[in-house]
Amino acid sequence: DVKVTQSSRYLVKRTGEKVFLECVQDMDHENMFWYRQDPGLGLRLIYFSYDVKMKEKGDIPEGYSVSREKKERFSLILESASTNQTSMYLCASSYRTENTGELFFGEGSRLTVL
Amino acid sequence: GQNIDQPTEMTATEGAIVQINCTYQTSGFNGLFWYQQHAGEAPTFLSYNVLDGLEEKGRFSSFLSRSKGYSYLLLKELQMKDSASYLCAVLDSNYQLIWGAGTKLIIKP
Repeated sequence: DVKVTQSSRYLVKRTGEKVFLECVQDMDHENMFWYRQDPGLGLRLIYFSYDVKMKEKGDIPEGYSVSREKKERFSLILESASTNQTSMYLCASSYRTENTGELFFGEGSRLTVL
Repeated sequence: GQNIDQPTEMTATEGAIVQINCTYQTSGFNGLFWYQQHAGEAPTFLSYNVLDGLEEKGRFSSFLSRSKGYSYLLLKELQMKDSASYLCAVLDSNYQLIWGAGTKLIIKP
């Protein structure tokens, strides 16, 4: 069974802390994505990667960075967490085909910044 | 700008049929996707339309009209487990997914 695993389901951090969110997929997918999901808004793309060591900014990259050192792992980093980064973070992966809209999602990481 | 509209919430009765609409205005079009998301869980892929017409998959069907910028998801023989949010997303000319805010479907006995 295909699987995308996110390291933490729930995190509580303080303002200014550095936060790492880890995502691992076991499907040998080329594409990986980080989204945030907030009530009343559609999924918003933070960063994505089409290959190892490659990253591209999404719609809302400010305050975030990413790392993809291995094909199966895509990490999201909040250098200095702020309260407006309280959200549900979803990692996803997909094959590198033209039908790149079929994504496989992880369970999500709910981050609260106090 | 790019925009996807779908109703915020809908209510339907177990055993009935419900249609969830989605209208879109995007920079280009490379396909429309529907996802299901149960509360507290990850979204899961339901359907994909790139040509006009109806795609049927068991109790679920999805329709697309590219000229009208319109799609709907049809759920038949509703079951309590169909209570979830349904997300509409369009793949734009840059092969980026643009997401609607989702429709929360409540099924009543």
